[in-house]
Amino acid sequence: DTAVSQTPKYLVTQMGNDKSIKCEQNLGHDTMYWYKQDSKKFLKIMFSYNNKELIINETVPNRFSPKSPDKAHLNLHINSLELGDSAVYFCASSPGLANYEQYFGPGTRLTVT
Amino acid sequence: GQNIDQPTEMTATEGAIVQINCTYQTSGFNGLFWYQQHAGEAPTFLSYNVLDGLEEKGRFSSFLSRSKGYSYLLLKELQMKDSASYLCAVRASGTYKYIFGTGTRLKVLA
Repeated sequence: DTAVSQTPKYLVTQMGNDKSIKCEQNLGHDTMYWYKQDSKKFLKIMFSYNNKELIINETVPNRFSPKSPDKAHLNLHINSLELGDSAVYFCASSPGLANYEQYFGPGTRLTVT
Repeated sequence: GQNIDQPTEMTATEGAIVQINCTYQTSGFNGLFWYQQHAGEAPTFLSYNVLDGLEEKGRFSSFLSRSKGYSYLLLKELQMKDSASYLCAVRASGTYKYIFGTGTRLKVLA
C-alpha cells in the first residue's frame, strides 16, 4: 500500500499557466508538508498543515496556495507559473507536530517552459 | 540566521566505513534527523538524535554534540546501494519546521 502518494509525477507546462498537485496519505497522520527541491537538491519547506490548520507558511510567492480539505489530503495550487518554479515538489506527512520522522511522497517534477 | 553545512560530495570503497559530517547554527535546537535520498527518489528517514551521544541502527549510526552544533552519520560495511545523497535536517526551538542541509552525495566504488 502506498503511504504518501502524489499526482501527477511529472508536469510540463508553459509560463503563465495555473496547475495543481495533489497529495494523499493513508497513514492516519495529523501533519502534512510541502517541500520544494531545486536543481541543487536543496530541500526547502513551503507549507505545513496540522489537522487541516496552516501552521507553517514560509516566504513563498502568493501564487502558491495550499489547501487541506481533510487530514489525509494536502493540495498545492500554483498560479501564473514562472520558469523559476521548475523543481521537484515533495509532499510529506508525520504523525504530529512533535519530533517525528517524515514520510515523503514520490515527488512531482514540475517543468515550466 | 539558520545554517546547516555538509560536504557536497564524498567517495568511498565498498566494504569501507564513511563518516558524513553536519554542522549547524540555529536559534535553539530541538532535534536532528538524517535522511537518505537515492537519485530521482524521495528522502527516507535514517535516524534521529535529540540528546548528545551515539544512536546505532544496524550498519548506520548517528552522533550528536549539541554544544558543538555537530553531528555525523557513520555508515559501516558500505554497499553499492548506499550510493545516495544524505540529508541532515535540524529542528530549531519554538518552530515546527525542519531546516535541511544541501545534502552530501556519496559514491560507493567497487
